[in-house]
Amino acid sequence: SQTIHQWPATLVQPVGSPLSLECTVEGTSNPNLYWYRQAAGRGLQLLFYSVGIGQISSEVPQNLSASRPQDRQFILSSKKLLLSDSGFYLCAGGTASYEQYFGPGTRLTVT
Amino acid sequence: DQQVKQNSPSLSVQEGRISILNCDYTNSMFDYFLWYKKYPAEGPTFLISISSIKDKNEDGRFTVFLNKSAKHLSLHIVPSQPGDSAVYFCAASALSSGSARQLTFGSGTQLTVLP
Repeated sequence: SQTIHQWPATLVQPVGSPLSLECTVEGTSNPNLYWYRQAAGRGLQLLFYSVGIGQISSEVPQNLSASRPQDRQFILSSKKLLLSDSGFYLCAGGTASYEQYFGPGTRLTVT
Repeated sequence: DQQVKQNSPSLSVQEGRISILNCDYTNSMFDYFLWYKKYPAEGPTFLISISSIKDKNEDGRFTVFLNKSAKHLSLHIVPSQPGDSAVYFCAASALSSGSARQLTFGSGTQLTVLP
């Protein structure tokens, strides 16, 4: 089974600073990879997904971007954080089946 | 437009009794449904799923029922245990989403099992 690693677990960043969150996958090759955000008291919002190296699809126009430089690495970035970027960010991996497996998440607070 | 809706933000149940969590969807293209459980500050964990060709799937204490005509699914937990206290998310996917297998999530229901 696949394992999703994410770091850091928590992050406090000032408005206007850059962001880089990393996600790596163990236990499978060529996974589909996803970035979600959960705002306080809300559901999971799909931000980006990738079906292969260098292939990124964006679901929601925003201040964030994603990249997939290697098969099992998925990075979420921002050049300048906004207050509204605060939330709980989750990376997930999936294969040909529908189930997605999630990492432990990163709590981002923009101050 | 919320395509997957969990209209009850919270539910409290006595230990040992049945918990029933509900989910409604609007997109008739959805053909696969999943339930996830989430503890605070952790990622969701997959619980159980059901394909649209079935109306019931059971795994231990967890059973998912699907009513396609009503576009409704429910998760039954019997018997409920205090460790089941968590947020439960309903999710749906469509074969038409292609190889990306995107999931659309509901807003979640906080289940509290009282000892």
